[in-house]
Amino acid sequence: GENVEQHPSTLSVQEGDSAVIKCTYSDSASNYFPWYKQELGKGPQLIIDIRSNVGEKKDQRIAVTLNKTAKHFSLHITETQPEDSAVYFCAASKGNNNAGNMLTFGGGTRLMVKP
Amino acid sequence: DADVTQTPRNRITKTGKRIMLECSQTKGHDRMYWYRQDPGLGLRLIYYSFDVKDINKGEISDGYSVSRQAQAKFSLSLESAIPNQTALYFCATSDSGLPSEQYFGPGTRLTVT
Repeated sequence: GENVEQHPSTLSVQEGDSAVIKCTYSDSASNYFPWYKQELGKGPQLIIDIRSNVGEKKDQRIAVTLNKTAKHFSLHITETQPEDSAVYFCAASKGNNNAGNMLTFGGGTRLMVKP
Repeated sequence: DADVTQTPRNRITKTGKRIMLECSQTKGHDRMYWYRQDPGLGLRLIYYSFDVKDINKGEISDGYSVSRQAQAKFSLSLESAIPNQTALYFCATSDSGLPSEQYFGPGTRLTVT
């Protein structure tokens, strides 16, 4: 089955700096890669996703890049703000068949943005 | 009101007790999921249901059972709780599009002593 590894497990940055979180996956058939943000005391919430036919996607201060050949994808947050402090999870899925909405999650990254 | 609700939010129980965690959703989604979250291990899928008549085991179903009482309700049971089932449990829903966003509840923190 799919295995997703995520690094680093914790990341501390100064407000205004950039943050990068990296994930690798094992199953070359995976073609959908969402990122979820989990704030304290809440459930994860989708913040951005990318499909395998796209190499990069941006949404304001966040962007995701995908390298299918190397089987890795990354989350980039620019101009970090204290409200970006949370746990971030990457995930992978084979999103094109009947069981295709199953997500395999990485272990999570705790991002701390210091004011 | 929240789209996905879970009850209870916190529960402490003793080894060997039976416990049920409940999930309700108002999003009208057919698909529902139960995950377990442990530090450093991310979220792992316990069970999932694509409709009321469809129940499937996930990655870590041993020691757990589920019931899909209606489109909007999906409950998780621990028949005989053990300490290593201490974790944060999340319910999620999604529509039937592929792929589609999963919407998570607020979680239930379960402690088994």
